[in-house]
Amino acid sequence: QQQVKQSPQSLIVQKGGISIINCAYENTAFDYFPWYQQFPGKGPALLIAIRPDVSEKKEGRFTISFNKSAKQFSLHIMDSQPGDSATYFCAPWNQAGTALIFGKGTTLSVSS
Amino acid sequence: DAGVIQSPRHEVTEMGQEVTLRCKPISGHDYLFWYRQTMMRGLELLIYFNNNVPIDDSGMPEDRFSAKMPNASFSTLKIQPSEPRDSAVYFCASSLGARAGGYTFGSGTRLTVV
Repeated sequence: QQQVKQSPQSLIVQKGGISIINCAYENTAFDYFPWYQQFPGKGPALLIAIRPDVSEKKEGRFTISFNKSAKQFSLHIMDSQPGDSATYFCAPWNQAGTALIFGKGTTLSVSS
Repeated sequence: DAGVIQSPRHEVTEMGQEVTLRCKPISGHDYLFWYRQTMMRGLELLIYFNNNVPIDDSGMPEDRFSAKMPNASFSTLKIQPSEPRDSAVYFCASSLGARAGGYTFGSGTRLTVV
């Protein structure tokens, strides 16, 4: 299941700072690129997703940047808040494929 | 809707015992997934069902693990016999159609095998 490499493994950011999490993939057949967010004691939940026909998608403080040629996509959290402290997973997907395969996750801590 | 419901929330068992984890998916969802989460291996897909039929069980670690979905509203994951290395959080998720953005996860079952 080593199709996805996520970095960094953990991240500490000051309140108000920018958090950046990266995901590199190998399978060029992936055609949907979601990020999931998981709080302690809860299951992951969809945060934001992008399709390969656009290079960037923004929803509030969260932005996905997509680089098809480099086979990478990243999550940017602007004005990071303590409530953003969670584990984030990328899970690139192929409509013709099977279930979601998740990256190893990035644990984000936003200090106040 | 109450979401995906898993039980129990916590399970502590002795090595060699049988463990059964339960999942009730969201009504109307036709896909059901079982994942296992550990610090070392992250979130691993174990098995998934479509319309109660197992589609891919290649992630099931070994024969000690089995999963069933007798109807659209219930699934079980059984470990027999359990071993300490099975200690993990087990998640069930369901979705309507094979849509990557449509997964709804339960809150998980934390299994500890001593």
